[in-house]
Amino acid sequence: EAQVTQNPRYLITVTGKKLTVTCSQNMNHEYMSWYRQDPGLGLRQIYYSMNVEVTDKGDVPEGYKVSRKEKRNFPLILESPSPNQTSLYFCASLKTGFGSYNEQFFGPGTRLTVL
Amino acid sequence: AQRVTQPEKLLSVFKGAPVELKCNYSYSGSPELFWYVQYSRQRLQLLLRHISRESIKGFTADLNKGETSFHLKKPFAQEEDSAIYYCAPPAHGGSQGNLIFGKGTKLSVKP
Repeated sequence: EAQVTQNPRYLITVTGKKLTVTCSQNMNHEYMSWYRQDPGLGLRQIYYSMNVEVTDKGDVPEGYKVSRKEKRNFPLILESPSPNQTSLYFCASLKTGFGSYNEQFFGPGTRLTVL
Repeated sequence: AQRVTQPEKLLSVFKGAPVELKCNYSYSGSPELFWYVQYSRQRLQLLLRHISRESIKGFTADLNKGETSFHLKKPFAQEEDSAIYYCAPPAHGGSQGNLIFGKGTKLSVKP
């Protein structure tokens, strides 16, 4: 089954304790992206990757890191989480190709609480 | 970055009433837009895309280049349409990787 998976689905942590949220897709998609969803602010892009070893900042990259060593994986790293990073996080992937306009496939979300 | 705006955070209608969720875009290039929907406690999923010109679950969206809009419409709302709807720009091969989603409109359909 074609899908995007995220782990963990729920996480409660404390300020300053490094964490990683994994994202994996099995559709051989070139493009992957991380978003955070907050009430009243909608969906905001954190980082995106157009392909392996190519990453770039979205709208709200502060406090986050990403890497794209393999096509299928795009982990989100919080080196020193803070309470303002409490949010619902979504990973997404997309098949790109010049001139194509395809849909993004979203993961199930990771609800992160930073105390 | 390609940017879209959704002026309404919340829209409440009664079952059977028409509904229109607004989306405006403000970027150059081919405005191939999408609508995504997020039902309660679920992931976002594609509802419809401009390029396919289809009707999904009774929803349609017409691109109006003069008004730079891509409003989502349904003539008779159902309770199961209650969800958050996001208007989104395309991501495709090229340089447009930074995607600015609309802030979303929460639709509440009352019985």
